[in-house]
Amino acid sequence: QQQVKQSPQSLIVQKGGISIINCAYENTAFDYFPWYQQFPGKGPALLIAIRPDVSEKKEGRFTISFNKSAKQFSLHIMDSQPGDSATYFCAASRGAGSYQLTFGKGTKLSVIP
Amino acid sequence: GAVVSQHPSRVICKSGTSVKIECRSLDFQATTMFWYRQFPKQSLMLMATSNEGSKATYEQGVEKDKFLINHASLTLSTLTVTSAHPEDSSFYICSASLLSPDTQYFGPGTRLTVL
Repeated sequence: QQQVKQSPQSLIVQKGGISIINCAYENTAFDYFPWYQQFPGKGPALLIAIRPDVSEKKEGRFTISFNKSAKQFSLHIMDSQPGDSATYFCAASRGAGSYQLTFGKGTKLSVIP
Repeated sequence: GAVVSQHPSRVICKSGTSVKIECRSLDFQATTMFWYRQFPKQSLMLMATSNEGSKATYEQGVEKDKFLINHASLTLSTLTVTSAHPEDSSFYICSASLLSPDTQYFGPGTRLTVL
């Protein structure tokens, strides 16, 4: 049973556009929701993370929107650039750090000039 | 930011041999380290969780006698793939957890190819 569902599987966005990736979770015990960016042949890098006590968190061009009642969260990449082309994973855990992360299946983002 | 290194980055070995992969937290002491496996174009699959000085906790379906994990210090964990077979070929990634701010930081990964 997949506990974190991520969509879409792949996404093509024009340069300067907004990229939106969505995730939904089932386990209400989850209380930490990070997003990771992974380039081919590299390990995932933490982009931004949120906890359920806020509905939105913004860091530069990256924004997480969180809807606790719907058990959904999303990543918005504003002014998307070709350098943003990568695979993005959402994840969830019962608590940051020492608790296990449950990953979504990933979204391959391609930003075209 | 917190840096996690892995060594080697790439290894090719013959079937039946053992391979050791090191994971180090370079500028912080990690309370917990995790080992993941990733197949091409797929998500990360957690293999095991390890705390310094304790036995690793393996996920269901992961053979602990095949994937030996040693967490000797707060900055070093090793994964040894014993008697490797071609089906063990994969991308192995470790992560280390930092208490403050508490999150996981990932290493760059190790590409294992078993011939």
